[in-house]
Amino acid sequence: QSALTQPPSASGSPGQSVAISCTGTSSDVGAYNFVSWYQQHPGKAPKLMIYEVTKRPSGVPDRFSGSKSGNTASLTVSGLQAEDEADYYCTSHAGSDNMVFGGGTKLTVL
Amino acid sequence: EVQLVESGGGLVQSGGSLRLSCTVSGLTFSDEWMSWVRQAPGKGLEWVANINPDSVKKNYVDSVKGRFTISRDNTKNSLFLQMTSLRAEDTAVYYCARITAFRFDYWGQGTLVTVSS
Repeated sequence: QSALTQPPSASGSPGQSVAISCTGTSSDVGAYNFVSWYQQHPGKAPKLMIYEVTKRPSGVPDRFSGSKSGNTASLTVSGLQAEDEADYYCTSHAGSDNMVFGGGTKLTVL
Repeated sequence: EVQLVESGGGLVQSGGSLRLSCTVSGLTFSDEWMSWVRQAPGKGLEWVANINPDSVKKNYVDSVKGRFTISRDNTKNSLFLQMTSLRAEDTAVYYCARITAFRFDYWGQGTLVTVSS
């Protein structure tokens, strides 16, 4: 049950694109297409942004997209906006109904 | 509208116990898998436990096994987390969340548990 690995920080200017990686193992990210991503603003509950690697819940802008290759998943935010500044967390199914989160990435919009 | 409301947090001494509750509305609670997720101050999210609709399946992160127990009362649309032998490292905001197909799609606002040493 080791945490997934995310970069502590990422940044980009308004209008730019930024990608956040999430690296696991062949027992979690690499084994299942059950990677999801969450946005968390300070003092708020997390919000689901991407599920099953690439799917967006209703109401999430299409500027947010997800992908996966091997043991690494990625969240890409295109056309950065000021309100995208937040912490982002990935999570994956880790077998036997267990879940594991990444350590989180603080996204700064310059 | 789906609402999840946690309660029961507070200050407790190391070695003590606390029971968290989460009341759910806007969902058919008895059909749902539910989870607890926690976040230590200034730290990331950590999955704590899952429970299936009929309480047969329960899963825990290794660090709480044997100390925490997840349970539910489907007649009262309520989820619980009984925490015993609390340690300083259990200090966190505890969120309840619905988990479906291994994603957490509805979250409460959280309840703060502080364990003093």
